[in-house]
Amino acid sequence: QQQVKQSPQSLIVQKGGISIINCAYENTAFDYFPWYQQFPGKGPALLIAIRPDVSEKKEGRFTISFNKSAKQFSLHIMDSQPGDSATYFCAASPGGSRLTFGEGTQLTVNP
Amino acid sequence: DGGITQSPKYLFRKEGQNVTLSCEQNLNHDAMYWYRQDPGQGLRLIYYSQIVNDFQKGDIAEGYSVSREKKESFPLTVTSAQKNPTAFYLCASTLTGRGQPQHFGDGTRLSIL
Repeated sequence: QQQVKQSPQSLIVQKGGISIINCAYENTAFDYFPWYQQFPGKGPALLIAIRPDVSEKKEGRFTISFNKSAKQFSLHIMDSQPGDSATYFCAASPGGSRLTFGEGTQLTVNP
Repeated sequence: DGGITQSPKYLFRKEGQNVTLSCEQNLNHDAMYWYRQDPGQGLRLIYYSQIVNDFQKGDIAEGYSVSREKKESFPLTVTSAQKNPTAFYLCASTLTGRGQPQHFGDGTRLSIL
């Protein structure tokens, strides 16, 4: 019930393309869904987050889509750039407390 | 600049030895967390603390211990009981309340000699 399933494990995209990473959860008590970006040797940094009362949130080239009935949410990176190459983690928490993380997606954007 | 400082960046442990990883934050955050990161497994919660002098076990607390004597500090001890300690350890902190983002340090990489 506490798991967050993330896919794909790795993703290769051409520069300018769209990167899509998907996550699914079971615990209906989850009400906060952040995405983190991590570069090698660094800690994760918050990229964008969404609450279940909205179906989409956009910040620059990054968009979260949220489907409450399906218990799924996804990250879309538009116009992907080589500098976006990193590991991305979805996460979820009930009431903003302890986070449960997905397994991570290693994104490579080829020039 | 406010942030979370983890030290050391790299640490080596001998058999039967306890080692302590440091985590200090100057963000005035109430809650602090320790995660373990292994390849392909995401981040797993070891311990967390929402207030000074109080902490709770996470999902993989066996072989680890923590203390929270000051708001700014949340050290993690990897004991000799942790048989597979090689991993990347991340400390995070946050304000309490709904939807507060967790801020992470840059981690400590622990290896066995």
